[in-house]
Amino acid sequence: GQNIDQPTEMTATEGAIVQINCTYQTSGFNGLFWYQQHAGEAPTFLSYNVLDGLEEKGRFSSFLSRSKGYSYLLLKELQMKDSASYLCAVLDSNYQLIWGAGTKLIIKP
Amino acid sequence: SAVISQKPSRDICQRGTSLTIQCQVDSQVTMMFWYRQQPGQSLTLIATANQGSEATYESGFVIDKFPISRPNLTFSTLTVSNMSPEDSSIYLCSVQPGISDTGELFFGEGSRLTVL
Repeated sequence: GQNIDQPTEMTATEGAIVQINCTYQTSGFNGLFWYQQHAGEAPTFLSYNVLDGLEEKGRFSSFLSRSKGYSYLLLKELQMKDSASYLCAVLDSNYQLIWGAGTKLIIKP
Repeated sequence: SAVISQKPSRDICQRGTSLTIQCQVDSQVTMMFWYRQQPGQSLTLIATANQGSEATYESGFVIDKFPISRPNLTFSTLTVSNMSPEDSSIYLCSVQPGISDTGELFFGEGSRLTVL
């Protein structure tokens, strides 16, 4: 079957750095997405990786290793507003999006 | 990008009733997707709605329970029929505009349904 694994919850301190991991087992691969979802709101797009390596976008970076079926989202200089759920999703060979359950990130002052 | 308006944003419904959720997009899109997100769960695709044809339902979802309309390229509705408490969830409409080279999805604000 197809599976996306990410930690259920993480806690970090304001101003620090946090890495949210995502491992996947899917039938084929056509890209990996990270979305941010604040409580009670719709998910919003953060990043897309289809090639191995690191994609940097401001305070957020996303890494992909296709051979390992692994990605991480790196958040730097954490702010209180970064408290949210972070969803990992993989586009499989049929171009269907397989979603992880999300990682709830709690930022403490 | 795409701006999506969904309504109602939330509703409390009685068991056995039906509710229709509307989704309006500010641009023409070929496919619109309806998702369900139960508390603490990942997004689950209910169906894909194409204009001018029947919606394509995912395993575990049927047209009688979740009828979908797609009358034009900017609008769709999802009806949750004969509701039970298990249908309490957030329902999300999303689109994938062809102008996005990353294939990202844009989501509506969601409709939070509580069935008593």
